[in-house]
Amino acid sequence: EAGVAQSPRYKIIEKRQSVAFWCNPISGHATLYWYQQILGQGPKLLIQFQNNGVVDDSQLPKDRFSAERLKGVDSTLKIQPAKLEDSAVYLCASSPGGLAGGRGGELFFGEGSRLTVL
Amino acid sequence: SQQGEEDPQALSIQEGENATMNCSYKTSINNLQWYRQNSGRGLVHLILIRSNEREKHSGRLRVTLDTSKKSSSLLITASRAADTASYFCATDAVDTGKLIFGQGTTLQVKP
Repeated sequence: EAGVAQSPRYKIIEKRQSVAFWCNPISGHATLYWYQQILGQGPKLLIQFQNNGVVDDSQLPKDRFSAERLKGVDSTLKIQPAKLEDSAVYLCASSPGGLAGGRGGELFFGEGSRLTVL
Repeated sequence: SQQGEEDPQALSIQEGENATMNCSYKTSINNLQWYRQNSGRGLVHLILIRSNEREKHSGRLRVTLDTSKKSSSLLITASRAADTASYFCATDAVDTGKLIFGQGTTLQVKP
């Protein structure tokens, strides 16, 4: 079974530029998550999708971050314009179903996209 | 906001020794999960313990949960150099339904 795919693995941009990350979850997984992990910290949930609908985006900085999940499969996370404090690893995860990964069981994570903003 | 807090932040042991990591949380949970993260990699699920369970085993891993103290511990027995990683607890809070991660414990196992 293929795992969660993310790209690019690494991205370096100047502040105020834009960047987009792509995620392909495990086939058949209804729930998709984007987490932000700053160096030395635990992952912080940015947005959670159930199929192609948003379940929770309360911690997504909506003035600069946007995310979509077309057709309930792939997802993209965009940052525009980027700030220095956006430097982090952006982790995508998926789970088979349920309103929360915990209730549905484990989350399956991709390898992450490391963003450096200069 | 972070729900779980791990203790200690860092742990260094010799191969063969046991490693114990603790997690405390604040609100009622449906379950608690432990994840492992190797440097530069994604997180890998280790074990899930439900709120009505007190102890669970998986190979060299033993997890306990005390809901009255809102705490959990992860014990890795007979550690190996390959166990070197960061370990995170994650709680599925009853009120929010979100899976919230703690700050993690960095474990170094010296050969």
